Amino acid sequence: KNEVEQSPQNLTAQEGEFITINCSYSVGISALHWLQQHPGGGIVSLFMLSSGKKKHGRLIATINIQEKHSSLHITASHPRDSAVYICAVRGGGSNYKLTFGKGTLLTVNP
Amino acid sequence: DAGVIQSPRHEVTEMGQEVTLRCKPISGHNSLFWYRQTMMRGLELLIYFNNNVPIDDSGMPEDRFSAKMPNASFSTLKIQPSEPRDSAVYFCASSLETGGFGELFFGEGSRLTVL
Repeated sequence: KNEVEQSPQNLTAQEGEFITINCSYSVGISALHWLQQHPGGGIVSLFMLSSGKKKHGRLIATINIQEKHSSLHITASHPRDSAVYICAVRGGGSNYKLTFGKGTLLTVNP
Repeated sequence: DAGVIQSPRHEVTEMGQEVTLRCKPISGHNSLFWYRQTMMRGLELLIYFNNNVPIDDSGMPEDRFSAKMPNASFSTLKIQPSEPRDSAVYFCASSLETGGFGELFFGEGSRLTVL
């Protein structure tokens, strides 16, 4: 079973700061997802990646397969970025199941 | 597209009552998942459908839980009888790719409270 560790668990930042959230996993994977959940809200898929780097607006996700590590970066953070960010990994082969991290609660203060 | 649509958004019921949660996946998506989210256990996969066929229901906690997908545009998750420990947020998600390999699109969730 894959173990997914996220750090930090909680993060408080000032508006405009550069944010990094980390995710490490223990077993080889076929894909890694970054999800966003606002308090009391639904879940939005931010990225799905299996190698390299992806960028969408102010969000950047990277993955290092050899080191079994991924990072989610937020540039020029804004209070609306305040949410829980969840890392989830999918095993190799035909494994459709996701293993979820416990999430990182990000609070961006104005 | 309207995205994945779930109903109801909120449900409060008494122990012993039947609860039915509904999901309309994104049109054309071949994979559908039901997840449950609690503070203690986070997100858990309950059941996975591929092309309307249940592939894996090993996450369904007990016989009180059942799920159906009668056609490509509708799925239900039923709890009968409900218990307080079933209180959680239930998410439906769909994916374009068969086998659930693709990006997941989640609904807004159904928040269930069983008194």
